[in-house]
Amino acid sequence: GAGVSQSPSNKVTEKGKDVELRCDPISGHTALYWYRQSLGQGLEFLIYFQGNSAPDKSGLPSDRFSAERTGGSVSTLTIQRTQQEDSAVYLCASSLDQGSTEAFFGQGTRLTVV
Amino acid sequence: RKEVEQDPGPFNVPEGATVAFNCTYSNSASQSFFWYRQDCRKEPKLLMSVYSSGNEDGRFTAQLNRASQYISLLIRDSKLSDSATYLCVVNVGGKLIFGQGTELSVKP
Repeated sequence: GAGVSQSPSNKVTEKGKDVELRCDPISGHTALYWYRQSLGQGLEFLIYFQGNSAPDKSGLPSDRFSAERTGGSVSTLTIQRTQQEDSAVYLCASSLDQGSTEAFFGQGTRLTVV
Repeated sequence: RKEVEQDPGPFNVPEGATVAFNCTYSNSASQSFFWYRQDCRKEPKLLMSVYSSGNEDGRFTAQLNRASQYISLLIRDSKLSDSATYLCVVNVGGKLIFGQGTELSVKP
């Protein structure tokens, strides 16, 4: 399909394990965003990639969180030593350029840490 | 203070009502502004961009006041299908910052 694709759609993991969440943006979109949304809450900004520029990591909540974007396309968000408070829906979005046009979201990855 | 703040919800209105949502932002360098809509357990989707001169899209009107750092969304003649959470979004240096959202419930 032509939309933003995220995998897995659901992930249940044990506390202390590492998880990797994947995002395939729309082809040609240079901007890519990761957000976290807890139940009944708004979207919490995590990290933003724009082209080949250094990413804006200002929203990452701790050093257990990291993200990379390979070849300007696919992105992976990694959470190390997961904690129960990491349980949330992780949403990825992409846009043609840096924030001035519509951002398209994937359907998210629902992470549950038990 | 949060970078983007919205009216607390929920708003419960009857069909046909007019409802207004407000949003304030703290960064005067904000470059562009949007309203997104999020249905329950779904991803957010763009409702409309917000321009300095104000803009309208059918029953929806968006206003921006840069001096007051204030954005609004007006929905006229509410429909049942308008029930959703409305998210105010501000672009700060390319980074899209979302407000907490305001939940709207339109009742028959």
